[in-house]
Amino acid sequence: DAGVTQSPTHLIKTRGQQVTLRCSPKSGHDTVSWYQQALGQGPQFIFQYYEEEERQRGNFPDRFSGHQFPNYSSELNVNALLLGDSALYLCASSLGGQAAGYGYTFGSGTRLTVV
Amino acid sequence: GNSVTQMEGPVTLSEEAFLTINCTYTATGYPSLFWYVQYPGEGLQLLLKATKADDKGSNKGFEATYRKETTSFHLEKGSVQVSDSAVYFCALSENYGQNFVFGPGTRLSVLP
Repeated sequence: DAGVTQSPTHLIKTRGQQVTLRCSPKSGHDTVSWYQQALGQGPQFIFQYYEEEERQRGNFPDRFSGHQFPNYSSELNVNALLLGDSALYLCASSLGGQAAGYGYTFGSGTRLTVV
Repeated sequence: GNSVTQMEGPVTLSEEAFLTINCTYTATGYPSLFWYVQYPGEGLQLLLKATKADDKGSNKGFEATYRKETTSFHLEKGSVQVSDSAVYFCALSENYGQNFVFGPGTRLSVLP
């Protein structure tokens, strides 16, 4: 039973570029949430996707956008990268549009470095 | 808005020492409370949770009690092991329906 799979594991981008991160949820899960974890800080909620729609959003600018595909996998896109976007991006999956309290499974994350 | 505060780390202990990591929260409603652990190079793993006042969550020798009167959820373990070295995050979720608000994390190092 595969857990949450994120790709790539590491990525280096230049300021102003665009980046796409990918997440495959745990088998049986249909809901994907994305978090940003800056170095030495706790994760911050970006947004959640269920039924191919953005259901909840945290306090992140429109440069952060996402998509969910019919197979429940998801992408996180960040445009016009800033140095401050350097972080570990975590994907978490769950079931039925339910959020944190009902049980997340986290992936190991994608480490994004913006230079 | 909701927030979580944790004691600053790093915390360094000798093996078999007693562990306490303090966590306090601010919430507009009646949240559920969680402790997550992050081992080096890995994602977050749920350690324990509590959903109402005076509930005690426990797992792998770790315990935390939901104290509504002091808005706290302190993590404790009676005898730590080297394998407990990790970063510990306290988190809340409002009414189970909202996504997590995490604290800043506390790094624990246990020396043999």
